[in-house]
Amino acid sequence: DTAVSQTPKYLVTQMGNDKSIKCEQNLGHDTMYWYKQDSKKFLKIMFSYNNKELIINETVPNRFSPKSPDKAHLNLHINSLELGDSAVYFCASSQDSVGYYNEQFFGPGTRLTVL
Amino acid sequence: AQKITQTQPGMFVQEKEAVTLDCTYDTSDPSYGLFWYKQPSSGEMIFLIYQGSYDQQNATEGRYSLNFQKARKSANLVISASQLGDSAMYFCAMNLLRGSNYKLTFGKGTLLTVNP
Repeated sequence: DTAVSQTPKYLVTQMGNDKSIKCEQNLGHDTMYWYKQDSKKFLKIMFSYNNKELIINETVPNRFSPKSPDKAHLNLHINSLELGDSAVYFCASSQDSVGYYNEQFFGPGTRLTVL
Repeated sequence: AQKITQTQPGMFVQEKEAVTLDCTYDTSDPSYGLFWYKQPSSGEMIFLIYQGSYDQQNATEGRYSLNFQKARKSANLVISASQLGDSAMYFCAMNLLRGSNYKLTFGKGTLLTVNP
């Protein structure tokens, strides 16, 4: 059973296109995240949703729009793709409890290549 | 704001030897968690070990241990008896343990190569 799954695993597209990446977790977690890993392997938070509510938006261009239809899903839609959007995008989830250990479980990543 | 520093871009170790990967962190908040993740060449992020800021003892998970020195704000990962399969990128990360913002802040990573 896959805990956090993402589709697609690879995405190759032309500049200017619109694309979506889907994420699902079957862990019953309250919080889901999107991270971006750039070509230098640096990982940075993009968004976080808690119970379908956006709680973190880390100065990401508004071409990126997360959508959480329910607690188990967090999708990422990207409009007007640019070359600089090429990266690996990771979805993650955690069962957040104040003051306690909050391990984040990561999906396998989606490698986006913009040509 | 939290900050994680990993000063070793790359490390080499002989198989069966121990290796220490350095991590220092910076936060003014007293409640935080420290994590280590492994990313092999296949790309997935694998959780290794966790240390809470109030934990009295250093965390251990099998061959992994975390050398937590709170006063120095360091959380070094020690891998004992290295194996070829340990060759990977290793990331140190932290989050705060209060409020509703549990985002992980990552260091730049250390690429570990285990030589036979």
